[in-house]
Amino acid sequence: DAGVTQSPTHLIKTRGQQVTLRCSPKSGHDTVSWYQQALGQGPQFIFQYYEEEERQRGNFPDRFSGHQFPNYSSELNVNALLLGDSALYLCASSSGDGYGYTFGSGTRLTVV
Amino acid sequence: GDSVTQMEGPVTLSEEAFLTINCTYTATGYPSLFWYVQYPGEGLQLLLKATKADDKGSNKGFEATYRKETTSFHLEKGSVQVSDSAVYFCALNQAGTALIFGKGTTLSVSS
Repeated sequence: DAGVTQSPTHLIKTRGQQVTLRCSPKSGHDTVSWYQQALGQGPQFIFQYYEEEERQRGNFPDRFSGHQFPNYSSELNVNALLLGDSALYLCASSSGDGYGYTFGSGTRLTVV
Repeated sequence: GDSVTQMEGPVTLSEEAFLTINCTYTATGYPSLFWYVQYPGEGLQLLLKATKADDKGSNKGFEATYRKETTSFHLEKGSVQVSDSAVYFCALNQAGTALIFGKGTTLSVSS
């Protein structure tokens, strides 16, 4: 049973560029959450998608946007990249009850 | 808003030593509490959880008890191994909402 799959695993972008990260949830899960984990810090909640709608959002600027597809997979888009956006981006899926989260291995984004 | 506070790290122990990592929380209502572990270069893995007061979560020799009176969820293990070296995160959530994490505590175990 495949868990949460994220792609790519690593990428390097230039300041000002745009990036799209992808996430396929665990089988049976319909809710996807995205987190940003800066080096040496705990994960910070970006937003959560359920039924293709943004259900909850953390304290992140509008440069961060997302999408959920009918097959429950999700994308995280970040526009106008800043050096401070360099982090590990984690995707977590759950079945909607909010308790059984499964995390992917993350995408390491480096902005230069 | 809800928040989680963990003890500062790093925690450095010898193999077979006793481990305690303190975690306290601030929350309205009755959150569920979690411990996650992150090994180098990997994502987060759920270690254990407790969903109501006085519940004890346990897994792989680790334990934590949900203490509502002290708003705490301290992680303990009686005898750590080198393979336990990782970063440990305490977290909480309310029903249907996102997980809120502490800053993490790095554990380093030497043989």
